[in-house]
Amino acid sequence: DQQVKQNSPSLSVQEGRISILNCDYTNSMFDYFLWYKKYPAEGPTFLISISSIKDKNEDGRFTVFLNKSAKHLSLHIVPSQPGDSAVYFCAASAPLTGANSKLTFGKGITLSVRP
Amino acid sequence: EPEVTQTPSHQVTQMGQEVILRCVPISNHLYFYWYRQILGQKVEFLVSFYNNEISEKSEIFDDQFSVERPDGSNFTLKIRSTKLEDSAMYFCASRATGADTQYFGPGTRLTVL
Repeated sequence: DQQVKQNSPSLSVQEGRISILNCDYTNSMFDYFLWYKKYPAEGPTFLISISSIKDKNEDGRFTVFLNKSAKHLSLHIVPSQPGDSAVYFCAASAPLTGANSKLTFGKGITLSVRP
Repeated sequence: EPEVTQTPSHQVTQMGQEVILRCVPISNHLYFYWYRQILGQKVEFLVSFYNNEISEKSEIFDDQFSVERPDGSNFTLKIRSTKLEDSAMYFCASRATGADTQYFGPGTRLTVL
């Protein structure tokens, strides 16, 4: 049951260049999307999110783009830094109904930024 | 900056034993979650909790699992009789009222021998 898919398991980029991490989803009820960054032996750290009413959200070096018709989102990191090397998870949730809003995660992408 | 904390960081137990994993959510958050990640697999939702009751649970969260908020700060996950396949990282998360973002703790690595 892969409702959130991150099809590329890894990505390697040169320091200073752009990193583009992709995510696809199948559940049309999802309306909120998040990116988390995870280092080994640590919990997921929230990076950036986007609501389905927007197509872009920017926070410093991080920008998330959402294409609802294609059920696709992407995380852009510009410029990439060696400290960005980690596993990046895409997650999605359906509309808040009371206390729900569980997150459905993708498998993650391992980003390596080469100095 | 407020953060979710979890104890212990690593728990080793024998199959069939009970374990309790502890979490202290961010203080003004009222929505709590447990997730787990088996090695090499994706993070999976286990249960959500609000107003002292379970809001939603996954198929994984069977009768061997229970959650409790024993006081105003702790949120616990109990596994009554652990199995080998319960070995995983268990993450607690919390969310504020009216917000959409869940914040995760550092996790507890559970190893069942």
